[in-house]
Amino acid sequence: GQQVMQIPQYQHVQEGEDFTTYCNSSTTLSNIQWYKQRPGGHPVFLIQLVKSGEVKKQKRLTFQFGEAKKNSSLHITATQTTDVGTYFCADRNDYKLSFGAGTTVTVRA
Amino acid sequence: NAGVMQNPRHLVRRRGQEARLRCSPMKGHSHVYWYRQLPEEGLKFMVYLQKENIIDESGMPKERFSAEFPKEGPSILRIQQVVRGDSAAYFCASSLVDGYTFGSGTRLTVV
Repeated sequence: GQQVMQIPQYQHVQEGEDFTTYCNSSTTLSNIQWYKQRPGGHPVFLIQLVKSGEVKKQKRLTFQFGEAKKNSSLHITATQTTDVGTYFCADRNDYKLSFGAGTTVTVRA
Repeated sequence: NAGVMQNPRHLVRRRGQEARLRCSPMKGHSHVYWYRQLPEEGLKFMVYLQKENIIDESGMPKERFSAEFPKEGPSILRIQQVVRGDSAAYFCASSLVDGYTFGSGTRLTVV
């Protein structure tokens, strides 16, 4: 199946700072979805990107889909303690999701 | 998540016992997807079911695992003769136009 790689695996962020997590694939991605999973929780859908070069924003979160549809990124500005959790990207091909291993974010107050 | 219901939330089984995990999809949905999440990993697709029909079980281990979604009642993921490596979080989901809605999951611990 599709291999989706995410970096970094862990991100330790000072409250108020920005950070970016990246999602890469050696082959073309169909649609990219991003999910957030709080510790002990379940994945919660954030957004879907479909078009090459697409950029979408949700408040402090900015999602991008690469021009070649082989990578995606999530950028969070002014990190807050509520941003703690693991962020997953997933390639959606028809009905099946292929998840990356996630970026686990911790925040220093 | 009130939409997709899973139970139990936590399940402890001894090696060799059977585990049964239940999932009811969102209201009005007649299909479910099961995913497994090993510690510190992403979710892995297991099986896609519609009522009384298995559509895709390509992610299911060949032995000891089975899934069903009867005409009435929840979907059941059954693991026979559990081993320590089966310890994981098992999530089921309903799909929407864009994303998936996941249930709260069942955390299976094999001791």
